[in-house]
Amino acid sequence: KAGVTQTPRYLIKTRGQQVTLSCSPISGHRSVSWYQQTPGQGLQFLFEYFSETQRNKGNFPGRFSGRQFSNSRSEMNVSTLELGDSALYLCASSLGAGDPLENEQFFGPGTRLTVL
Amino acid sequence: KNEVEQSPQNLTAQEGEFITINCSYSVGISALHWLQQHPGGGIVSLFMLSSGKKKHGRLIATINIQEKHSSLHITASHPRDSAVYICAVSGGDKLIFGTGTLLAVQP
Repeated sequence: KAGVTQTPRYLIKTRGQQVTLSCSPISGHRSVSWYQQTPGQGLQFLFEYFSETQRNKGNFPGRFSGRQFSNSRSEMNVSTLELGDSALYLCASSLGAGDPLENEQFFGPGTRLTVL
Repeated sequence: KNEVEQSPQNLTAQEGEFITINCSYSVGISALHWLQQHPGGGIVSLFMLSSGKKKHGRLIATINIQEKHSSLHITASHPRDSAVYICAVSGGDKLIFGTGTLLAVQP
């Protein structure tokens, strides 16, 4: 069974631009979570989607948004990029039965975003 | 004070040693996750537990809900165990991560 895939793997943008990252979960998984990892803040939870609905959300500004499609694929969008948005963005999928955050998370390889 | 604290932050061990990484948390949780991250970024989920103890190969994870503490043990450590180990707790509607423990196992 194929693992979680993320595209693109690397991305360079400039301040003020917007970016869309994509995540394809493991087949059969209905929950997709997004995380940001930086050297200073470590791993932080962005949001989680289940059956096309955002169920959980971390403490990030509204510039960070996401959505999930009927095939469980998910996209994350960051508008008006700032230098501090440079990070590794990881998504993870899980079966999602019950509380998705109480399910084992399967991580993708991440998208490394650099904002210049 | 962080809601999830890990210790030690850095750990160097000799091949074959028994290793313990600790995680303490201050919030109510429904589950605790142990993750492994190798250089380059890939994260693997090692354990998810809400009580007791789990074992997988040379890895053992325990949790004490009353004391709000979990430990990850590695028996007969090997250089390929070198990685960052991250504790995360499911607290309400989000995952809260510890800062990680950088483990280096020397041959």
